[in-house]
Amino acid sequence: AQKVTQAQTEISVVEKEDVTLDCVYETRDTTYYLFWYKQPPSGELVFLIRRNSFDEQNEISGRYSWNFQKSTSSFNFTITASQVVDSAVYFCALSSSNTGKLIFGQGTTLQVKP
Amino acid sequence: EAQVTQNPRYLITVTGKKLTVTCSQNMNHEYMSWYRQDPGLGLRQIYYSMNVEVTDKGDVPEGYKVSRKEKRNFPLILESPSPNQTSLYFCASSQLTSGGAGTGELFFGEGSRLTVL
Repeated sequence: AQKVTQAQTEISVVEKEDVTLDCVYETRDTTYYLFWYKQPPSGELVFLIRRNSFDEQNEISGRYSWNFQKSTSSFNFTITASQVVDSAVYFCALSSSNTGKLIFGQGTTLQVKP
Repeated sequence: EAQVTQNPRYLITVTGKKLTVTCSQNMNHEYMSWYRQDPGLGLRQIYYSMNVEVTDKGDVPEGYKVSRKEKRNFPLILESPSPNQTSLYFCASSQLTSGGAGTGELFFGEGSRLTVL
């Protein structure tokens, strides 16, 4: 069975601090896809990144970076120099090729204080 | 504008009164899916559809029905709502990718907050 665990329920940081959101997944499939989504206080869900299981390169997009490690089944998300606008719930998700199923973690609520 | 539209956005109903939450997308996406969001549980998949007339159960399908008669529409039906179906519901769609159905970027609707008394 597939599973996504985001052990950090809530994180609070002060603006300009770096913060890492953890995501650990379980799957028996060899081909799968990992995602991060952001849900700001306004409630909409916004796509951040998609990564397939064959691409372990880390990715950086501005202040955001993602560290994918198959050896530890983790896909962690780091925000550098956090800002108040980063305050949101962040979801990690897992999908296997051609199953149609997409499993989300429980979400991590990030609060960035000024 | 590319979007996924859900209606109603807010609904208060009573136990047993059938209701339908509509979902429509204008991006010609093959894949559509319904999720419910509950505190501490994240998003849980209810049903999904890989194409017209092709639907399948997610992790929490009990008490729900769906249909996919047209590519753009994927309504969620609660035949006899109960209080444990009080939740925030999201519809989403994505295009097919080389990885297959459900592996692409999801576009979400704004959510429908349902309260069953």
